[in-house]
Amino acid sequence: EAQVTQNPRYLITVTGKKLTVTCSQNMNHEYMSWYRQDPGLGLRQIYYSMNVEVTDKGDVPEGYKVSRKEKRNFPLILESPSPNQTSLYFCASSQQGRTEAFFGQGTRLTVV
Amino acid sequence: SQQGEEDPQALSIQEGENATMNCSYKTSINNLQWYRQNSGRGLVHLILIRSNEREKHSGRLRVTLDTSKKSSSLLITASRAADTASYFCATLANSGGYQKVTFGTGTKLQVIP
Repeated sequence: EAQVTQNPRYLITVTGKKLTVTCSQNMNHEYMSWYRQDPGLGLRQIYYSMNVEVTDKGDVPEGYKVSRKEKRNFPLILESPSPNQTSLYFCASSQQGRTEAFFGQGTRLTVV
Repeated sequence: SQQGEEDPQALSIQEGENATMNCSYKTSINNLQWYRQNSGRGLVHLILIRSNEREKHSGRLRVTLDTSKKSSSLLITASRAADTASYFCATLANSGGYQKVTFGTGTKLQVIP
């Protein structure tokens, strides 16, 4: 089954404690991206990747890092999480960004 | 304001009525897509319309695109309670040599049985 898998689904952490949210897709898609969703703001792109070892900042990259060492995986790293990063995060993949995007189930992150 | 803004922000209709949502954007685009999101879940792709198309249908969905006005509309005909969800438009545009996808803020649709 074609899917994008994010883990964990829910995470509560403390300020400053490094965390990683994993994202994996099984569709051999080149394009992957991370979004955060906040009430009234819609989805805002954090980072995206056009292919292995090619990543670029989206609209709200501050406080986040990503890596794309393999085509299927695109982890989101928060080196020192802060409360303003409390949000619902989505990973998505698509064929070169030109066609429909497939979304993961979401990760609800709370930073206290 | 953002690329891809939906209007209205919220819409409440009776089952059987039609629901129309609008999306406006600012820059030239390659295509425009509509997605649906059930509460707290991931987005699901509904329909894609290319910049050289004016109208597209898929089941009870009808999408129009007016590139001169930089706007699109999504019409859901004969709505059902199961259509209750948030709907987002997403534009795909060239940006610095790459193609960037930008989502709007969404329209929250409630269909009352």
